[in-house]
Amino acid sequence: EDQVTQSPEALRLQEGESSSLNCSYTVSGLRGLFWYRQDPGKGPEFLFTLYSAGEEKEKERLKATLTKKESFLHITAPKPEDSATYLCAVRNAGNNRKLIWGLGTSLAVNP
Amino acid sequence: GAGVSQSPSNKVTEKGKDVELRCDPISGHTALYWYRQRLGQGLEFLIYFQGNSAPDKSGLPSDRFSAERTGESVSTLTIQRTQQEDSAVYLCASSPGQGTTGELFFGEGSRLTVL
Repeated sequence: EDQVTQSPEALRLQEGESSSLNCSYTVSGLRGLFWYRQDPGKGPEFLFTLYSAGEEKEKERLKATLTKKESFLHITAPKPEDSATYLCAVRNAGNNRKLIWGLGTSLAVNP
Repeated sequence: GAGVSQSPSNKVTEKGKDVELRCDPISGHTALYWYRQRLGQGLEFLIYFQGNSAPDKSGLPSDRFSAERTGESVSTLTIQRTQQEDSAVYLCASSPGQGTTGELFFGEGSRLTVL
């Protein structure tokens, strides 16, 4: 069964303290791995799409990487406004409309 | 509008009542999705529309759930005879084209509480 596992569940950082979030996946024929950010009371906001092992994407202080089994979201010198829940999702070969989601990592960045 | 709009933002209902949730997608987006987000659980796919047809209804949890879409516009999700386990945030998302890129634009959700 296709599955997405995110770790840690929660992470608290000091402003400027870099770290990484993990997304491990088991999927039959990966057709894309997606990172989203969700603020409290809001819908998820798209960040990145990764399609193949070795691919990397960057946006401001965020960098997403992909291997054959997992993806990392690296946060460099985070700021309090980076506090949010970060969600990972995958699409498999069988259904290219439906995303399979992890439970997310809740990130808090203290000033 | 500029983004996906959902209404109501909050709905409290009694067990056994019917509810309707509305989604206005981004203009021009042909693909529309409904997801459910329960506390402590991942987003759960409910249904996908391409235009006004629903090629994938596989996520609807029971026959109490139904959805329709008018053209490439508004969609409504109807839950009949609500149960307490239906309490969740119902999220609508839209995307352009065939919806295969994974870049979905979400609304803020409708929070449903069934007493």
